[in-house]
Amino acid sequence: AQSVTQLGSHVSVSEGALVLLRCNYSSSVPPYLFWYVQYPNQGLQLLLKYTSAATLVKGINGFEAEFKKSETSFHLTKPSAHMSDAAEYFCAVTRNSGYSTLTFGKGTMLLVSP
Amino acid sequence: ETGVTQSPTHLIKTRGQQVTLRCSSQSGHNTVSWYQQALGQGPQFIFQYYREEENGRGNFPPRFSGLQFPNYSSELNVNALELDDSALYLCASSGGGNANTGELFFGEGSRLTVL
Repeated sequence: AQSVTQLGSHVSVSEGALVLLRCNYSSSVPPYLFWYVQYPNQGLQLLLKYTSAATLVKGINGFEAEFKKSETSFHLTKPSAHMSDAAEYFCAVTRNSGYSTLTFGKGTMLLVSP
Repeated sequence: ETGVTQSPTHLIKTRGQQVTLRCSSQSGHNTVSWYQQALGQGPQFIFQYYREEENGRGNFPPRFSGLQFPNYSSELNVNALELDDSALYLCASSGGGNANTGELFFGEGSRLTVL
């Protein structure tokens, strides 16, 4: 069984500050890990993915995440927040299997203040 | 390249009614997955279709059913609607070179309200 836990349902930062959104996973097999972003009243957009290649993954809009097996973590970071980053962020995990079913965390709402 | 499109975008039903939601997959994708996203929650996997066959199912009752057509578009049907079925229903497509990486491409969803 796989699961992800996102610490903090809401994270508030000031514009220009570091963004850190936490995700810990549980998986009995080597996982594939993803971060998705959801803007209000929209579907989910892939930010980045880890698929057992480089442990530091760079995504769109300046986001990156580091896979740490020893900590079972896949935290999302961005050096400098922008107002347009305000959205809900979901961490997700899947097995390396033939069918691609994602298990999502509950999400973290990122609030960016001027 | 056309992305994933879903219809309708919003709908309101009453308890006990039936609803059909539709999804057109992204060009070249042969796999469609459906997810339910309740307010304030992450998406929950309902089921997946691959080449017109159900290829995996989450913890949802049988009144949630689906179809995939030869052009890989898909329908989600929910019978005997309950208040707790109110949610955003997301369709996602995948396939081809992305099949084994789990990368899904999502539509904007159909928001269902059950009164």
